[in-house]
Amino acid sequence: QVQLQESGPGLVKPSETLSLTCSVSGDSISNYYWSWIRHPPGKGLEWIGYISHSGLTNYDPSLASRVTISTDTSKNEVSLRLRSVTAADTAVYYCVRGPNDFWNGYYFSYFDNWGQGTLVTVSS
Amino acid sequence: SSELTQDPAVSVALGQTVKITCQGDRLSSYSPSWYQQKPGQAPVLVMYGKNNRPSAIPDRFSGSISGNVASLTIFGAQAEDEADYYCNSRDSTRNFFVFGPGTKVTVL
Repeated sequence: QVQLQESGPGLVKPSETLSLTCSVSGDSISNYYWSWIRHPPGKGLEWIGYISHSGLTNYDPSLASRVTISTDTSKNEVSLRLRSVTAADTAVYYCVRGPNDFWNGYYFSYFDNWGQGTLVTVSS
Repeated sequence: SSELTQDPAVSVALGQTVKITCQGDRLSSYSPSWYQQKPGQAPVLVMYGKNNRPSAIPDRFSGSISGNVASLTIFGAQAEDEADYYCNSRDSTRNFFVFGPGTKVTVL
């Protein structure tokens, strides 16, 4: 069973860069796509972006100018960097395996393994 | 605003059946996935494709799609099913992913 563990600072100052690392155990990150998804307090889930097993990235348009997702295959880790943060970036951030994309007469995708999440607060 | 719409909240009596819906323009050709989130916990995948359950999810959970409306039905709801439920699919460009606003299910 794959396990994902997020780590990083819990407090970031406005205008600075949020940096999180996801350590993956139980499988090689080279076999899957990996996403970051966040959950702001009192709001719904928000997809941030993904990185493919070949290093292709795709980001939500509202965040694309500030976000970078990368991998370190030697450490089996996935990373998130979000620049120029504001209070609106305060959220629980999840590292997630997926999307897993399929065609069976119709398209479908899913995110099947989630880390426990880490709360990042943006405040001075 | 989300491209996927969900009712904000539904309630169900213990042991009864509840249907949670997710509406979106592309759902007839791009089936959503469903996630259960309990307070303080990470979301859990409960349904994907038209009606595929991960092995750990009880068979009282069932999925279906009719036109552009996807449904997650809980047959014989249990107290432990009380949670927020989110649907997810690709957006209208098929390039990105969007979540519905979520439905809070209360088991009475």
